[in-house]
Amino acid sequence: DAKTTQPTSMDCAEGRAANLPCNHSTISGNEYVYWYRQIHSQGPQYIIHGLKNNETNEMASLIITEDRKSSTLILPHATLRDTAVYYCIVRPYYGGATNKLIFGTGTLLAVQP
Amino acid sequence: DADVTQTPRNRITKTGKRIMLECSQTKGHDRMYWYRQDPGLGLRLIYYSFDVKDINKGEISDGYSVSRQAQAKFSLSLESAIPNQTALYFCATSDSGQGKGKNEQFFGPGTRLTVL
Repeated sequence: DAKTTQPTSMDCAEGRAANLPCNHSTISGNEYVYWYRQIHSQGPQYIIHGLKNNETNEMASLIITEDRKSSTLILPHATLRDTAVYYCIVRPYYGGATNKLIFGTGTLLAVQP
Repeated sequence: DADVTQTPRNRITKTGKRIMLECSQTKGHDRMYWYRQDPGLGLRLIYYSFDVKDINKGEISDGYSVSRQAQAKFSLSLESAIPNQTALYFCATSDSGQGKGKNEQFFGPGTRLTVL
């Protein structure tokens, strides 16, 4: 079962920040939050992951609440090419059987011109 | 060249036929995975392999089999295809997850399979 809850869809104006929320109220201490995205019918693409500190890379920022029960993925300047389904996934960091990714239905982000 | 390749990219077949989908990777990863995606749904894990001698069932392995011919190759077979196996199939790879790696999975471009 997916351990995360995300809105089904969101809109964002091109050039503005896109803030995608995710609830993971049952997250355990050794689980990280991962974000992937899937542009129409392509293979999913890794975006970012984090444990408890905020993280930033060239694609996005990840803000995790202090109680770790929710997080927000931020695309600082959304472009039309960012239109995709965004998946929030929680899983332990290291391998073993728990290396599997469990995808929910994600959030369809539509960036509007 | 793509790091993870899948062949064929599209396939239409008939009920009862045997189908093999192939996946190859040049990333040197130990771990490989097969997922299927149905319209409007997320990906579901079919099988995964942590090395050449290790094969594990995923969430929805019934009706499927796999073969890890080499570290770089992982094939998915449908022994007798049925219409509800019509889906988009993705192969993925990852490293072993030890050390400071991101434990990131890299996905192929997908194979669109239609069973009539």
